[in-house]
Amino acid sequence: SAVISQKPSRDICQRGTSLTIQCQVDSQVTMMFWYRQQPGQSLTLIATANQGSEATYESGFVIDKFPISRPNLTFSTLTVSNMSPEDSSIYLCSVEEPGEAFFGQGTRLTVV
Amino acid sequence: GDSVTQMEGPVTLSEEAFLTINCTYTATGYPSLFWYVQYPGEGLQLLLKATKADDKGSNKGFEATYRKETTSFHLEKGSVQVSDSAVYFCALHTGGFKTIFGAGTRLFVKA
Repeated sequence: SAVISQKPSRDICQRGTSLTIQCQVDSQVTMMFWYRQQPGQSLTLIATANQGSEATYESGFVIDKFPISRPNLTFSTLTVSNMSPEDSSIYLCSVEEPGEAFFGQGTRLTVV
Repeated sequence: GDSVTQMEGPVTLSEEAFLTINCTYTATGYPSLFWYVQYPGEGLQLLLKATKADDKGSNKGFEATYRKETTSFHLEKGSVQVSDSAVYFCALHTGGFKTIFGAGTRLFVKA
C-alpha cells in the first residue's frame, strides 16, 4: 500500500495570497489526484495529475486557480491561487492502486 | 453517471449500540465498493472494501456486504465505541482511475 506525505498539514492564509501544497508518495505512481473537502462536505475531485503532461481538471476547477505540477512519479504540488475565504477547505492528495485509493492526511486551509 | 448515496447524519448513538449506515450506489459495470473513515483532524483511511457481488468486507468489528440486487453496501457494527466517532464515507471505484464518494455520515458515540 502507498504511503503519502502531505504538507503543510494546516495553514492560515491572507486573502489574495497563494499556497502551495506538496504531496510525496513512497512509490512511483502514474496518476495522482487532488481533492477538496469543504467544511461538512464530501470530497470533490479537483484534478488528475499525470507525470509529463498537463493536469486534467474537473468541471468547475481551472488551471489558473489551481495550478498543479507533477515533476516526477513520486511528487506533485497543488497551488491554491489568489485565495478567498471560500477556498477554506481540506485539500487531499490521493493515489490509486488497482481498485483502492490511498490518501494523504490532508492540508487544512483557512483563508482570512 | 456513477453516484453514491448514503444516509444523512449526524448519527448519535450510545456506546455498545448497534450501528447501521445505509449506502446505495448507481454504476455502470461492476464497481468495487469501499467504506472510508475520517477521524477528527485526520485524512481518510480505508475501513473495508468488497470487490464483487456477495463479498463481505470487514475490519475493526465493522462489516458491509456487497448486494448487487439492491445496489447497496450498508455499514454495520454490532457494538460501537466512543472511539468510533468519525465521519464515514461510502465510495465506489469502477476501474477507471476515479473514486466516487458519498456525502459522508458523521457518527457521534456517547459514553
